[in-house]
Amino acid sequence: DIQMTQSPSSLSASVGDRVTITCQASQDISNYLNWYQQKPGKAPKLLIYDASNLETGVPSRFSGRGSGTDFTFTISSLQPEDFATYYCQHYDNFLALTFGGGTKVEVK
Amino acid sequence: QVQLVQSGAEVKKPGASVKVSCKASGYTFTTYAIHWVRQAPGQGLEWMGWIHAGDDDTKYSQKFQGRVTLTRDTSAGTAYMELSSLRSEDTAVYYCARDSSGYVVHWGQGTLVTVSS
Repeated sequence: DIQMTQSPSSLSASVGDRVTITCQASQDISNYLNWYQQKPGKAPKLLIYDASNLETGVPSRFSGRGSGTDFTFTISSLQPEDFATYYCQHYDNFLALTFGGGTKVEVK
Repeated sequence: QVQLVQSGAEVKKPGASVKVSCKASGYTFTTYAIHWVRQAPGQGLEWMGWIHAGDDDTKYSQKFQGRVTLTRDTSAGTAYMELSSLRSEDTAVYYCARDSSGYVVHWGQGTLVTVSS
């Protein structure tokens, strides 16, 4: 089974900061990698699909890149509403999903 | 608009089973697969499996194989997740989610299942 290693598990940042989260796959997953934001008590929200595609309606300060085994997710200028937990998620050819461990973005 | 509405919170004793429903609306139910994802308190997201609402095909996470059963009722536009032999570690929020070729845009509101003696 493919493992998704997300780092860091948490980070502290201030409004306006650039934030980067990484996700590493245990083997080549091409671009089958998505990113979600989750706030307490809420379902996850899709931000980026297929590694670098911005979901409709998601602000352009969110971006993703990578392919193969190494992926990054970036918030170019952190906004107050961006404090949340972020997850990467891989899908395989059978649509089995594997989530990373999550990154909690907290106020510095 | 697409909506997935789940059944209410459940409290179960260890060893029991629980069945959670997920009623879909706003799209053709049989066109998509439904994933089930759970989240234990303070923990991350864990995929359990999917069922295709059209052909009833299923795929389960190896972790839950043999303990989880996914079904659907096309006439009711509803998917179901049944988890058996419950233990305390199964206490979690269970989400249904509509597949969009490997990613999820539409989620249910979540159902809290508490396993406690």
